Amino acid sequence: DAKTTQPPSMDCAEGRAANLPCNHSTISGNEYVYWYRQIHSQGPQYIIHGLKNNETNEMASLIITEDRKSSTLILPHATLRDTAVYYCIVRGYLAGSARQLTFGSGTQLTVLP
Amino acid sequence: NAGVTQTPKFQVLKTGQSMTLQCAQDMNHNSMYWYRQDPGMGLRLIYYSASEGTTDKGEVPNGYNVSRLNKREFSLRLESAAPSQTSVYFCASSEDPSGRARKTQYFGPGTRLLVL
Repeated sequence: DAKTTQPPSMDCAEGRAANLPCNHSTISGNEYVYWYRQIHSQGPQYIIHGLKNNETNEMASLIITEDRKSSTLILPHATLRDTAVYYCIVRGYLAGSARQLTFGSGTQLTVLP
Repeated sequence: NAGVTQTPKFQVLKTGQSMTLQCAQDMNHNSMYWYRQDPGMGLRLIYYSASEGTTDKGEVPNGYNVSRLNKREFSLRLESAAPSQTSVYFCASSEDPSGRARKTQYFGPGTRLLVL
């Protein structure tokens, strides 16, 4: 699985959009970009994933650059409950097998009142 | 659906004691995983089970054993606990719809283990 690079920390004002960047310059064609978050003392929570097209769900939007070397997770209206560590994970798919998620150090997002 | 449940939530052991961490999922997922998370670090995979009846080692299996009791349950056993096993343990499960690379993993709330 390709390595990812994220800033260690970011702040965002409550109600504003939070834009979390991730670099994955060595991503290969069959690897997906996943985002998880971990609120303090809780288990990681899946947010969104994508291959090459931009994706949106009820939690967030994922913007992947055309060359797929970087992506941005967007929380459109951040709330205090979005304060968490956000992990960007790149992984491929291997039919018939279980694959672990490799969590790096992530980005600590702090939403400020 | 309860999702992924883990018991116990907290446990204190003395060095050399044994214990089993329980995990169950009600989402009919095929794959289940055990991770540990140490302070300030990401999660590391201990063992996983791709399907009922199979188990495989992950990144840090030493000192642990697992049992995939049935499709719902995947337990982690510490035979002789050591202080280095003080950590937070997370169980996860995932499904793999045929032909789609989803593999989204759903995590339990964690078990906090302290080994003295």
